[in-house]
Amino acid sequence: QKEVEQNSGPLSVPEGAIASLNCTYSDRGSQSFFWYRQYSGKSPELIMFIYSNGDKEDGRFTAQLNKASQYVSLLIRDSQPSDSATYLCASDGGGNSGYSTLTFGKGTMLLVSP
Amino acid sequence: EPEVTQTPSHQVTQMGQEVILRCVPISNHLYFYWYRQILGQKVEFLVSFYNNEISEKSEIFDDQFSVERPDGSNFTLKIRSTKLEDSAMYFCASSKGGGGSPLHFGNGTRLTVT
Repeated sequence: QKEVEQNSGPLSVPEGAIASLNCTYSDRGSQSFFWYRQYSGKSPELIMFIYSNGDKEDGRFTAQLNKASQYVSLLIRDSQPSDSATYLCASDGGGNSGYSTLTFGKGTMLLVSP
Repeated sequence: EPEVTQTPSHQVTQMGQEVILRCVPISNHLYFYWYRQILGQKVEFLVSFYNNEISEKSEIFDDQFSVERPDGSNFTLKIRSTKLEDSAMYFCASSKGGGGSPLHFGNGTRLTVT
């Protein structure tokens, strides 16, 4: 059973701070990892994806992947109240399926206070 | 920016009735997916579709479910005889490539079975 685990939160940070969101996954065969943002009642919105060990930066967002520890994280610098949402971590099963059958975590709620 | 569109945004139906949820994927994408999210729970994979056939499906996607691409733009999910437990948000997604490619989600259809 493939699992993606996240702390449900809420994670509360003040405006301007760095928010750190973490995720672990069970399937060692997973190759690709995704962070989605989901506002209440809305659909998941792609924030970042990462395939290789190390860091990947895109604007205020940095994704980090450690395949040995089966650990993925998302850092949000200069957090804004508009960043308040649930952040979903997802892994792609990899292997030879050839299709993106994502396994999602339950998400971490982030609250950024002004 | 191109997006995945879904209709209707909200569907209410009686138990035992058939429903069809509709999606228009991003035009140059080749892989199509349905996911669902029961209120307060994880986003769950239902089915992937490529080259006019199902490529992978989950245990949730039983004989009551079917998918179709009736023309060059639409992608539909049919639930033949709805049950109360089918009440959820259903998300259509598409990706340009296969395994590892980021999925882009539509805004979802909230299905309520009474």
